[in-house]
Amino acid sequence: KQEVTQIPAALSVPEGENLVLNCSFTDSAIYNLQWFRQDPGKGLTSLLLIQSSQREQTSGRLNASLDKSSGRSTLYIAASQPGDSATYLCAVIPTGANSKLTFGKGITLSVRP
Amino acid sequence: DTEVTQTPKHLVMGMTNKKSLKCEQHMGHRAMYWYKQKAKKPPELMFVYSYEKLSINESVPSRFSPECPNSSLLNLHLHALQPEDSALYLCASSHHSGSYEQYFGPGTRLTVT
Repeated sequence: KQEVTQIPAALSVPEGENLVLNCSFTDSAIYNLQWFRQDPGKGLTSLLLIQSSQREQTSGRLNASLDKSSGRSTLYIAASQPGDSATYLCAVIPTGANSKLTFGKGITLSVRP
Repeated sequence: DTEVTQTPKHLVMGMTNKKSLKCEQHMGHRAMYWYKQKAKKPPELMFVYSYEKLSINESVPSRFSPECPNSSLLNLHLHALQPEDSALYLCASSHHSGSYEQYFGPGTRLTVT
C-alpha cells in the first residue's frame, strides 16, 4: 500500500528565504506526482505535475523535482513571500486505471513579513 | 476554461434534510471525482465517475448518493446525514480516469446540525 509522508507538518520562515518542502513515498511504481496548494477553507490548486519520466518541472518561483528510485520529491520555493503562506500537499498518482491519488498530510507554511 | 465550479459554497442542513451538491466542468474531462476533507487532513476519495458511469465507490455510506447526469455535471445527493459528515466536499476532474492530472473545485463547506 502506497504511503506518502510530508515532514515537517508545519514550517515558519522569514520573507525572502528560499525553502524546500519534502515529500516521500514508499512505492516507486507511480505514474505522476502532483503538488497542490490549499488556502484555509478553500479547494486545492494544482501547482506542478511531474510525470514519472521527468526529473523536474518549473513554474515561476516554484521548482519540483522527482527521484522515483529513492521515493522522493521536493518542492523548491524561491524568494518566499507572505502570500505563499498555505498548506502544500503532494499526491502520487499510480500507474494503471486505478484513479486514486494518495495524498501526504501536507506541510503548513507560514512566511513571516 | 480550466475551472471546476461547485455550488453552493456553504451549506447548513439538519439531519432530516435532503440536499444536493453540484459540480460542473467544461474542460471536456471524462472523469469526475468526489472527495471529503476534514480539518487538517488530506482529501479522502469517495467516488469516481468515468464516462458518466460510477467506477469507484470507496465504501461510502448510502446517505451519500452520487449522480453524473452528463459528462460536465456531477451531483452529490445528501440525505439523513450525521454531524460527523460535516466537512469540506471537493469535486475534481481529469481527462480520463487513471493516471491523469486532477483539477479541483473550490469545495462546498457542509455543516450538519
